[in-house]
Amino acid sequence: SQELEQSPQSLIVQEGKNLTINCTSSKTLYGLYWYKQKYGEGLIFLMMLQKGGEEKSHEKITAKLDEKKQQSSLHITASQPSHAGIYLCGADIWKNTGNQFYFGTGTSLTVIP
Amino acid sequence: EAQVTQNPRYLITVTGKKLTVTCSQNMNHEYMSWYRQDPGLGLRQIYYSMNVEVTDKGDVPEGYKVSRKEKRNFPLILESPSPNQTSLYFCASSLPPTGFGTGELFFGEGSRLTVL
Repeated sequence: SQELEQSPQSLIVQEGKNLTINCTSSKTLYGLYWYKQKYGEGLIFLMMLQKGGEEKSHEKITAKLDEKKQQSSLHITASQPSHAGIYLCGADIWKNTGNQFYFGTGTSLTVIP
Repeated sequence: EAQVTQNPRYLITVTGKKLTVTCSQNMNHEYMSWYRQDPGLGLRQIYYSMNVEVTDKGDVPEGYKVSRKEKRNFPLILESPSPNQTSLYFCASSLPPTGFGTGELFFGEGSRLTVL
C-alpha cells in the first residue's frame, strides 16, 4: 500500500497557467517535504511544512499543509518551462516500528512554451 | 562544496556478481539512507542509518546490505545481484532537527544499475 498518494500522476500545461499538485496520507504527517527532480537526476529540496495550516512560498511555488496534517498541496503560479520535472512529496510517518520517511509516487509536470 | 557523492554513476553487471555502490557525504550529517527509483513505483527506501553503527531496514531491504562504520560513508552492497535489482539508486543524507523527523534530505546524483 502507498503511504502517500500523489495526484495527478502527470500534468501537461501551457506556459503561464497555474497548477496544483496534491499529496494525501491516511496518517498524520510529522513533517511534509516537497522535492523536485529533473529526469534521471537527484532530488532538490523545495520546502518543508510542519505545522497544521502552515503555508510557505518560494518564488512562484506555494505549498500548504492542511489543519489535520494529512494533506498538502503544491501550487505553481504562472508556470514556466523551468518548472518542468517530477515533483515528489515526502513525509515522516510514525509507525509501530518507529519513524520512517516515505515519498509519494511523484507528479510529472510538462510545461509547453 | 557540500555534497553527497555516489559511485559508480553507471554500472552494467551480471547476475550473481557482488557489487558495492559507495556513498559519501561531507556535511557531517547523522542520517543517511538509500532509495531505489522504479517507473510507476516511485522512490522506495532500502535502508537507513540514524548514526554510526545504527542501521535499519526500509521498505525494500531484500537482497541488499549496508554498513555505517564511519559517519561520512554509507555503502550499499548487493551480494548476489539479480535482474529485478536493475534500477536507479539514490543515496541521501540529512541533519535531523531536534525532536522528531528526518529533516531536509540532500541527494546524490544517482547510480543507474543494470543487472543482466
